Amino acid sequence: DTAVSQTPKYLVTQMGNDKSIKCEQNLGHDTMYWYKQDSKKFLKIMFSYNNKELIINETVPNRFSPKSPDKAHLNLHINSLELGDSAVYFCASSSRGSFYGYTFGSGTRLTVV
Amino acid sequence: LAKTTQPISMDSYEGQEVNITCSHNNIATNDYITWYQQFPSQGPRFIIQGYKTKVTNEVASLFIPADRKSSTLSLPRVSLSDTAVYYCLVGEGDTNAGKSTFGDGTTLTVKP
Repeated sequence: DTAVSQTPKYLVTQMGNDKSIKCEQNLGHDTMYWYKQDSKKFLKIMFSYNNKELIINETVPNRFSPKSPDKAHLNLHINSLELGDSAVYFCASSSRGSFYGYTFGSGTRLTVV
Repeated sequence: LAKTTQPISMDSYEGQEVNITCSHNNIATNDYITWYQQFPSQGPRFIIQGYKTKVTNEVASLFIPADRKSSTLSLPRVSLSDTAVYYCLVGEGDTNAGKSTFGDGTTLTVKP
């Protein structure tokens, strides 16, 4: 009954590969997000989707593309992975009117070698 | 977007009260203030949210002065399990709507 679930939890891959991270939420929230957390623990928003529309797209490389088949899912696809992409990626969701802010997944640790 | 500033780290001992202050000088009228707690290998977890004055729940209290340019998270009688990174988040709307900026976080270490 995990509220926000991400898969995989760990991902090790070589430079130049293409990979995807999946996220699902069962909270009925209307907005989902992807955050990147680097080794210094800084949390930076990458994308958010509200009702299948991209409403925020921070200055991330276009190698990163969010894909949302429905409002319960927001997957992150990364092309041509680079060493600097190594980080922990968190999916989150929220709903307007909710008092509890964001609900985060447990993260995907991506290591590019 | 309102930028936030927090202390990088704090140390405390079990049973003490801990106060972590966040500065947000450019907070907008519609912005709410939310605090999150993050343990290693986990995602941030909501602790408390407020707009002005004081908010209290079973975990913490949040003090916001009248000018709202800062806020203080107060953790009563901390235990070892409160060792974590605490983030201050300021953003518009009651859910921060994704247009929010996380602070750099305060690493709280509780010692026995």
